[in-house]
This record gives sequence, C-alpha cells and structure tokens, in this order.
Amino acid sequence: EAGVTQFPSHSVIEKGQTVTLRCDPISGHDNLYWYRRVMGKEIKFLLHFVKESKQDESGMPNNRFLAERTGGTYSTLKVQPAELEDSGVYFCASSQGPVLYNEQFFGPGTRLTVL
Amino acid sequence: AQKVTQAQTEISVVEKEDVTLDCVYETRDTTYYLFWYKQPPSGELVFLIRRNSFDEQNEISGRYSWNFQKSTSSFNFTITASQVVDSAVYFCALSEADSGYALNFGKGTSLLVTP
Repeated sequence: EAGVTQFPSHSVIEKGQTVTLRCDPISGHDNLYWYRRVMGKEIKFLLHFVKESKQDESGMPNNRFLAERTGGTYSTLKVQPAELEDSGVYFCASSQGPVLYNEQFFGPGTRLTVL
Repeated sequence: AQKVTQAQTEISVVEKEDVTLDCVYETRDTTYYLFWYKQPPSGELVFLIRRNSFDEQNEISGRYSWNFQKSTSSFNFTITASQVVDSAVYFCALSEADSGYALNFGKGTSLLVTP
C-alpha cells in the first residue's frame, strides 16, 4: 500500500512568487493534516481536513496560505506571495479516523526555500 | 506557551550505549495522547508509539522503552544498546481535545550514534 506522498520534494522560489505544494494521502484516509517545520523550531500544525471540509485551520499563519482538498482526495497548499519566513519543511499526514484512535502517517515533506 | 519540551537538542553516544531522550509536556486536559516519532535522514516521520493519559504503564518494544510519569508530566524514551541506525531526530508530541487532537510537537532531539 502506498504511503503519503508529497510533491515536490524540494522547491526553491524567490520572494513574492507563488508555490503550490501537493499531498496525496493514503487511499481511504478521510483525515488529512498539514504541518510545517521552520528551521530550528518545532513542527507546527497548520490545518486539518476531514474529507473536503476544513475541520481546524487555527494553525494557518496568515491569509497568504490557502489549502484546498477538492473531492476529499489530494490536498494542495498554496503560498501566495511567498515570504522569506515561509521557508521550511511542510509535512502532510493522513489518518483513517481521528488521531485519538488512529495513527497519523506522515509524508516525506516538501522542503521550501524562499530566497 | 510551548506544550512539549525536549530539552536535549543534540545527543551523541557510542554504539551499544543506552540513551534516554527526555520529553516534558504541559496540558490542562485530562484526556490526551503522547507520541514519539523518528525522523531518519530520509526525512519522513516514522511513528513509534502512542500512549493515552489513562495508561501509565511503561512500554517496551525490543530495544525501545518508554516511561510515562503523569506526576512529572514526562514521557521519556530510552534506547538500549544503541545502534548506528538509531541516528535520527526524535520528536515527542502531544494531542489534546482542546486543540482538536492535532499534534503539538517538541523541537526534536538529534541523536547521533557513532561506531
């Protein structure tokens, strides 16, 4: 069974540009999460989808970040316009049910560098 | 306020030594979950253990063991007879009802095991 996949693995862009990160969860997993690790800091929760609905987006840093999950399958996270402080590793995770009862499986992450 | 504190930023041990990674958490919830994840050089986060707040039994899995102490709000992780393949960044995480059960991660401890 394929795990959580993320694309691209690395992205280098200039400040002001737009970048879209993609996450494909494990098939059948309704719950999808985005996290971010900025250099030297802890991994921070960004948001949580249940199917196509945003369950919790309290961790989204500002309105330059837009996450979607059309059809409840894959998800995209768009940063527009990117700023230097957006650099970091963006992780996606999925779980079959709530994290209380189900393990979150993480993807390999997308390393974003904003120059 | 940081909910999960991993005070050890980096640890270096020689193969076959035992090593303990510390994790201290903070929560007001009575129901919560604690996790440990391993991040090898390949980058993905690998789930190691989930422990709920009502189960203080220590757990052993091969060379890995976990000591959950509610009295000190700690969930420490010990690797016995460490091996080079144990070299990775280890993250402790907390999940609470108040945060919608999203994972709150510590900053991670980088473990280097040398031959």
